[in-house]
Amino acid sequence: NAGVMQNPRHLVRRRGQEARLRCSPMKGHSHVYWYRQLPEEGLKFMVYLQKENIIDESGMPKERFSAEFPKEGPSILRIQQVVRGDSAAYFCASSPTFARDTYEQYFGPGTRLTVT
Amino acid sequence: AQKITQTQPGMFVQEKEAVTLDCTYDTSDQSYGLFWYKQPSSGEMIFLIYQGSYDEQNATEGRYSLNFQKARKSANLVISASQLGDSAMYFCASSSGGSYIPTFGRGTSLIVHP
Repeated sequence: NAGVMQNPRHLVRRRGQEARLRCSPMKGHSHVYWYRQLPEEGLKFMVYLQKENIIDESGMPKERFSAEFPKEGPSILRIQQVVRGDSAAYFCASSPTFARDTYEQYFGPGTRLTVT
Repeated sequence: AQKITQTQPGMFVQEKEAVTLDCTYDTSDQSYGLFWYKQPSSGEMIFLIYQGSYDEQNATEGRYSLNFQKARKSANLVISASQLGDSAMYFCASSSGGSYIPTFGRGTSLIVHP
């Protein structure tokens, strides 16, 4: 039973380019959460999605960032016109249903984005 | 709002000894959960242990135990019989009861010496 998959594991982008991060939840999971970890910081919640719905995007920066979780395929976190401050590790977690508590989320290995 | 403080940026321990990683939290919620995660150098986040605010017993999971002192608002992680594979970053986190949005501390780097 494969865990949460994220790809790519490492992504290098130049300032102004777009970054697309993918997350495939665990089999049978229909809820996805995205987090960002800045250097030497803990994870910070960005967005919570169900299939075809954004449930909570309270942690998402207002500009340049968007997320989707289509009916088919992985969840995508998209960052347009990246800046150096976007360099971070981006983690995806999934849960089978609404996660009543954080420990019910299973984390992927993360994507490390470096903006040069 | 929740706040997590991990005051130890780095800790060293001899293999087979026990080590305590400190965590204090600040919350006005009556119901909340406390968590510890391990992040090895490979980067993934591994859930270790959970303590609910109403749990009277300290949580234990194998070699991990959570020393929960509610009045002091502390939730220290105790790792017994340290192993070389325990070398990693350790994050304390909390969330309001029933919330899916955790607040993480900055982490403590643990190095286990042979």
